[in-house]
Amino acid sequence: GAGVSQSPSNKVTEKGKDVELRCDPISGHTALYWYRQSLGQGLEFLIYFQGNSAPDKSGLPSDRFSAERTGGSVSTLTIQRTQQEDSAVYLCASSLQGGQPQHFGDGTRLSIL
Amino acid sequence: AQKITQTQPGMFVQEKEAVTLDCTYDTSDPSYGLFWYKQPSSGEMIFLIYQGSYDQQNATEGRYSLNFQKARKSANLVISASQLGDSAMYFCAMREGRSYQKVTFGTGTKLQVIP
Repeated sequence: GAGVSQSPSNKVTEKGKDVELRCDPISGHTALYWYRQSLGQGLEFLIYFQGNSAPDKSGLPSDRFSAERTGGSVSTLTIQRTQQEDSAVYLCASSLQGGQPQHFGDGTRLSIL
Repeated sequence: AQKITQTQPGMFVQEKEAVTLDCTYDTSDPSYGLFWYKQPSSGEMIFLIYQGSYDQQNATEGRYSLNFQKARKSANLVISASQLGDSAMYFCAMREGRSYQKVTFGTGTKLQVIP
């Protein structure tokens, strides 16, 4: 498709399980961002990729969170040993170059029981 | 200090009227960019308008314009001729520098357009 694609759109899992969220950016976009948005809140920056490199990992909330990007395209955000406070919508965005307007996916709504 | 401040949690505007959504920012970097995004209740984030720190003129995109006052560090969004479909959350965001491309978002303003 032409836009940013995220999967799954919804994920319900039990506390303590690992989850993997996927983002497929717009073709040719070199920059990719992950954000977290809790109900009624703004966007919390998690991580930014320029190509396959992540120069800034400071937004990852804990060492349970990790992300990678391969081939300058698809990115996965992995949360290990999920906690209830991880429940949120995880948004992925891409832009042609870093710092340019971002195109967002529809997000993954993660619910931890 | 907050890098992006949106002081209006909620705003109401009459249909067809203009409305200004406030945004102030804090940075010591001379190179930065400011963005506005719209998030309807359906959840998708939609890019509206961009202003670069070196741009001489205020950005405009259709009914959206950005009132950029560099000395005051403000980048207010003006929506003219409000429509019911403009009801949404509006986020101001900033990227700092040329090589460090993290983008910081404000907490948002919820705009409701009244018929």
